Amino acid sequence: GENVEQHPSTLSVQEGDSAVIKCTYSDSASNYFPWYKQELGKGPQLIIDIRSNVGEKKDQRIAVTLNKTAKHFSLHITETQPEDSAVYFCAASPSGNTPLVFGKGTRLSVIA
Amino acid sequence: DSGVTQTPKHLITATGQRVTLRCSPRSGDLSVYWYQQSLDQGLQFLIQYYNGEERAKGNILERFSAQQFPDLHSELNLSSLELGDSALYFCASRALGTGVTEAFFGQGTRLTVV
Repeated sequence: GENVEQHPSTLSVQEGDSAVIKCTYSDSASNYFPWYKQELGKGPQLIIDIRSNVGEKKDQRIAVTLNKTAKHFSLHITETQPEDSAVYFCAASPSGNTPLVFGKGTRLSVIA
Repeated sequence: DSGVTQTPKHLITATGQRVTLRCSPRSGDLSVYWYQQSLDQGLQFLIQYYNGEERAKGNILERFSAQQFPDLHSELNLSSLELGDSALYFCASRALGTGVTEAFFGQGTRLTVV
C-alpha cells in the first residue's frame, strides 16, 4: 500500500521568511496530493491540493509542486506570518474515493 | 466550517468501557472515513464507508467497529477500552465525483480513557 514520508517534523522560521515542507510517496498509482493545516484543538483543514496532471499550483502565498518521476511533492509558504503556525500534513491517494494516506506532519512555528 | 459534524467533542471514560462516536457528513457526501490521531502522531486511517457499505479497512482493531446509516451519518464504536485508545478521532467525508474529490474533516472527538 501507499506510504508517505514527510520532512522536516519541526520547522521554525522568522516572520516574512519562506517555509518548505517536503513529502515523498511510494505508490506510483497515486494521483491526488492534498495538504492540510491543523491548528490546536481543530480538525485538519484543506489548504491546497494538486493532481498528477499538474506540476505546480499556487494560491496567494501558498504553492505546491509535484514531481511524479521522483515521487515527491512539496509545500511552499512565502512571506510567513504568525498565523501560519500550525501542524501541516501532506497526503496521497490513488484515485476516486480511496482513503488518503497521511505523512506524520510538520509543526511549523513562525517567530515574530 | 467544513460541514462535517462530530459529536461529542470530548469524552472521558474508564478502561473496559464502550463508547460511540458520531459523524454527520457534509450534505450529499456518500463517503465517510474514520481516522485516529494519537499524541504527536499523524492521522491513521481506520475504516471507510460508502453509501452504507464498508469500502476499505485500515489499521482498525477488532475491538472497534463502525457503520453508516441510511441517512449517511456514521458511528464508530470502541469497546473494551484501554488507556492506549486515548486519542483524537476524526471523520472526513467526500463527495462522489467523476474524478478525485476533496476530503473535509470534522473537528474531532477527543477520547480520554482513564
